[in-house]
Amino acid sequence: EAGVTQSPTHLIKTRGQQATLRCSPISGHTSVYWYQQALGLGLQFLLWYDEGEERNRGNFPPRFSGRQFPNYSSELNVNALELEDSALYLCASSAWAAQETQYFGPGTRLLVL
Amino acid sequence: AQSVTQLGSHVSVSEGALVLLRCNYSSSVPPYLFWYVQYPNQGLQLLLKYTTGATLVKGINGFEAEFKKSETSFHLTKPSAHMSDAAEYFCAVNPRLLEYGNKLVFGAGTILRVKS
Repeated sequence: EAGVTQSPTHLIKTRGQQATLRCSPISGHTSVYWYQQALGLGLQFLLWYDEGEERNRGNFPPRFSGRQFPNYSSELNVNALELEDSALYLCASSAWAAQETQYFGPGTRLLVL
Repeated sequence: AQSVTQLGSHVSVSEGALVLLRCNYSSSVPPYLFWYVQYPNQGLQLLLKYTTGATLVKGINGFEAEFKKSETSFHLTKPSAHMSDAAEYFCAVNPRLLEYGNKLVFGAGTILRVKS
């Protein structure tokens, strides 16, 4: 069974640009989560999508947004990039019948110069 | 507020020795509990979880953890460390409260070093 996949693996942007990160959940999973792992700040919850709807949002500014597509894949958009947005962005997915258990992908490492 | 405390940001053990990584949580109701492992430049891999039932749970790679409600703890152990266990370990809770909306709250992580 294929796990959670994310693309790209690395992304380099400059301040003010926009970044788009993509995630494909495990087959059969309907929920997708996004987390940020920044140096010194630990793992912080960003967003939760389920059945195409945003269900919960972490304490991040509105320039962090995303969506979930009908095939349950998801993308995270970060507008007006700032240097402190440099981090590893992890996507996770969970099944409808066991939403409490999240399985993570390999992450996208975003570097903002 | 829900929080997770991992005692010791770095733990060093000899190969073959017992591994003990500590995790304590604060929660108004018993949460769901998880341990994840992260190898360098990789994502998080689920080691084990406690949701309901038996309080001693076994995971992959010989790890196990015991949920102790009275101590609000979920410590991770492995009887004999292997060099391949060197990684960063994260304890996480799902608070099971509506306002947390199914998000995981993570501890700060413990880096395990295994000496030969």
